[in-house]
Amino acid sequence: EPEVTQTPSHQVTQMGQEVILRCVPISNHLYFYWYRQILGQKVEFLVSFYNNEISEKSEIFDDQFSVERPDGSNFTLKIRSTKLEDSAMYFCASRRTGNEQFFGPGTRLTVL
Amino acid sequence: QQQVKQSPQSLIVQKGGISIINCAYENTAFDYFPWYQQFPGKGPALLIAIRPDVSEKKEGRFTISFNKSAKQFSLHIMDSQPGDSATYFCAAYQGGSEKLVFGKGMKLTVNP
Repeated sequence: EPEVTQTPSHQVTQMGQEVILRCVPISNHLYFYWYRQILGQKVEFLVSFYNNEISEKSEIFDDQFSVERPDGSNFTLKIRSTKLEDSAMYFCASRRTGNEQFFGPGTRLTVL
Repeated sequence: QQQVKQSPQSLIVQKGGISIINCAYENTAFDYFPWYQQFPGKGPALLIAIRPDVSEKKEGRFTISFNKSAKQFSLHIMDSQPGDSATYFCAAYQGGSEKLVFGKGMKLTVNP
């Protein structure tokens, strides 16, 4: 069964450094998402992406964040200058049509 | 207004028992209510979902009950099994928006 994959599974970085989290959505899906989950808190929506542009973003998704679909398979989340409070589990999700979003296993980001 | 409140935060049941997880929402524009199941090291996976024009939906041992007037919905797991031990998230989705709004999650432990 096709699934969303994410790399790396764990990323450790120093405060102020740039990180890129990578996702490979399910191949025939059209809508792509990033969510994050700070330890012990709820899963929060960051951004949605459709037809090569951001379709919706939350107030969390400020100028430090950007997303890109550089080719036909990858979907990336870049954090330009990481802060301690960016430490979280980041989930990528995708869907084709309908409401069901399929989630990847997540990347744990630790900012020191 | 965009919140989904979930309770309890954790639950321990014996094998064969019934597990009940409750969620409440405020935004009457929500029109799709999925439940996600998450095992350690994995992303959330859709378990079952309901729309507000239906009061109950059953799939195998899993049943969603929906009370539109009270703005509440719940997940019932019948004949709970140790393999059901996971974190369960309720969520809500508003047509025209791309984002899923998640509850805080509930860790279920089913003892053998």
